[in-house]
Amino acid sequence: QSALTQPRSVSGSPGQSVTISCTGTSSDVGGYNYVSWYQQHPGKAPKVMIYDVSKRPSGVPDRFSGSKSGNTASLTISGLQAEDEADYYCCSYAGTYTWVFGGGTKLTVL
Amino acid sequence: QVQLVESGGGVVQPGGSLRLSCAASGFTFSSYGMHWVRQAPGKGLEWVAFIRYDGRNKYYADSVKGRFTISRDNSKNTLYLHMNSLRAEDTSVYYCAKTTDMDVWGKGTTVTVSS
Repeated sequence: QSALTQPRSVSGSPGQSVTISCTGTSSDVGGYNYVSWYQQHPGKAPKVMIYDVSKRPSGVPDRFSGSKSGNTASLTISGLQAEDEADYYCCSYAGTYTWVFGGGTKLTVL
Repeated sequence: QVQLVESGGGVVQPGGSLRLSCAASGFTFSSYGMHWVRQAPGKGLEWVAFIRYDGRNKYYADSVKGRFTISRDNSKNTLYLHMNSLRAEDTSVYYCAKTTDMDVWGKGTTVTVSS
C-alpha cells in the first residue's frame, strides 16, 4: 500500500491550463479504471472532481478533465481560475476493496 | 440533501481507545459501502478502512489492521470506527466518505493521541 506519486506543487496563471500527474503501479493505477481526483481547500473536506479516471460529477465544471495512460493518471484543469487554488489528491483502487491516495499536489494560481 | 456528520473525536492517551461515529442522511445508507479516510496535521489523505453495504465484509489499511474496526448499523444510518491501541501517529482528522468513489465526505472529526 505505497502512496501514489504526485508532484508536490504546480502553478499557472489565470486562463492557462495545468496538468497534475499521479503515478502508481500495475497493481493500482495501471490495473483498474478506478482513479479519482479530489480537491481540498484549506480547512475543508475533500470534494470529488473526477471519478473512474475521466467521469465528472454533476456540478463540476468541464474545465476539469481526467485521463490515464499505463500506470500514470492525470488531472488537467483548463482556463484556470483563482478559486481552483487548492490541494489536489489522486486516489486509485488497489484491489480487494483497498484504496491508495497520492501524496497531494498544491496548485497555486499566480 | 446528502450529508455525513462525524463525531466522537477527542484527546486520548497512547494505548487508549476511541469510537468515532458518522451519521448519514439524505440517501439510502444501507445501499452503499462506506470509507474512513484520515489526514494527519499538514499531511495528505490516507485511506483507512472500507465496509460493504451490508456490513459483512470489511477491509483495512496495513497501518491500522488489527487495531481499528469498522462497523455500521443500517437501522441507525450510522457508520463507526472503533480504534484501539492508539499511537501518536494516529493523530489526524478522520473523515467518513460515501461509496467506492468517495462522492460525499463529512467535515471530519479530530483525534489527538498524546500523553
